[in-house]
Amino acid sequence: NAGVTQTPKFRVLKTGQSMTLLCAQDMNHEYMYWYRQDPGMGLRLIHYSVGEGTTAKGEVPDGYNVSRLKKQNFLLGLESAAPSQTSVYFCASGDRGNQPQHFGDGTRLSIL
Amino acid sequence: KQEVTQIPAALSVPEGENLVLNCSFTDSAIYNLQWFRQDPGKGLTSLLLIQSSQREQTSGRLNASLDKSSGRSTLYIAASQPGDSATYLCAPNAGKSTFGDGTTLTVKP
Repeated sequence: NAGVTQTPKFRVLKTGQSMTLLCAQDMNHEYMYWYRQDPGMGLRLIHYSVGEGTTAKGEVPDGYNVSRLKKQNFLLGLESAAPSQTSVYFCASGDRGNQPQHFGDGTRLSIL
Repeated sequence: KQEVTQIPAALSVPEGENLVLNCSFTDSAIYNLQWFRQDPGKGLTSLLLIQSSQREQTSGRLNASLDKSSGRSTLYIAASQPGDSATYLCAPNAGKSTFGDGTTLTVKP
């Protein structure tokens, strides 16, 4: 019973490089979310999806793109990484907006 | 915009103590509130979800209360254990949540 799995767990990028973070859930949840966690700023919502083929902006969407081509996967892309995007990224899923969220273990991303 | 405050920011107690963690939020128009724990280097684990129509929710040694009108929630931990050491976060509206910065709890043996 994997729950929410994030790939990769760690990554170091150079400024200007691109990469994609993968989130996979095996609970058949409709809703999926991407957050970033920074010291002193808590968790902030980047983008979310309420179902396959849908995406929406959260609180801090600039510099990120997302896709939800399959129900179980939610991809977060950085087209041109910047040092300000150094953070821990968490993916979460839920059955509906009023059900508990399940989180992955995070991806620690450093951008030099 | 919803703002969430958690007090205290850090708490250290001896094993066996009962303790209360506080969460306050500015927008009372919420449909639920979730409490999480986060262990170092890990993701968040959901502890309790209180719907707006509920006043309390219990799971084992944990009890969470919600007072929407005053914009407050508390998490009560009974008979604390070293394994309870973690950061506890509250988040109104599971889903598109606004999170507090958390309370870091240390329970000393």
